[in-house]
Amino acid sequence: DAGVTQSPTHLIKTRGQQVTLRCSPISGHKSVSWYQQVLGQGPQFIFQYYEKEERGRGNFPDRFSARQFPNYSSELNVNALLLGDSALYLCASSLAPGAASTDTQYFGPGTRLTVL
Amino acid sequence: DQQVKQNSPSLSVQEGRISILNCDYTNSMFDYFLWYKKYPAEGPTFLISISSIKDKNEDGRFTVFLNKSAKHLSLHIVPSQPGDSAVYFCAGNFGNEKLTFGTGTRLTIIP
Repeated sequence: DAGVTQSPTHLIKTRGQQVTLRCSPISGHKSVSWYQQVLGQGPQFIFQYYEKEERGRGNFPDRFSARQFPNYSSELNVNALLLGDSALYLCASSLAPGAASTDTQYFGPGTRLTVL
Repeated sequence: DQQVKQNSPSLSVQEGRISILNCDYTNSMFDYFLWYKKYPAEGPTFLISISSIKDKNEDGRFTVFLNKSAKHLSLHIVPSQPGDSAVYFCAGNFGNEKLTFGTGTRLTIIP
């Protein structure tokens, strides 16, 4: 079985541009979460989606948005990129909300975004 | 506001000995605590979790201890193996998918 997949692997953008990152969850998983990991820090929660609805949002500006499609894949969009947006963006999937506590929330390998 | 803290950025342990990774938290409302392991170029991998109503959970070589009065948890790995070399993150959550991670501890197992 394929794990969580993310595309692209690496991305270089310049300040002010917009970026779209993509995530495909494990087959059968309906919950997708996004995290940002800045170098030297732990992952920080951005969004959670379940059944195409936003179920949770972290402390990120409105430049960050996401959506989930009927096949449960998800996109993360970041507008007006800043240098500080340079980070590893991780996607995670789980069967349903709450499964991450006692079951496993499976993470993808991430997309490395560099903003110049 | 760092609700989950891992104060040791790195730890080196001899192969076969015990590795102890520590984590402190400030939010007493966390329902669960989890440990994740991360290799370079890979996403974090779930290791073990513990409910806030428990004080110990064991899974093979991995044991997590929770001391609620001290707001402290630790992960014990016995015996340590070379494949355990990785970055370890502890995280808290409220029974949902929003994990609050610490900054991580890089564990190096010395052969």
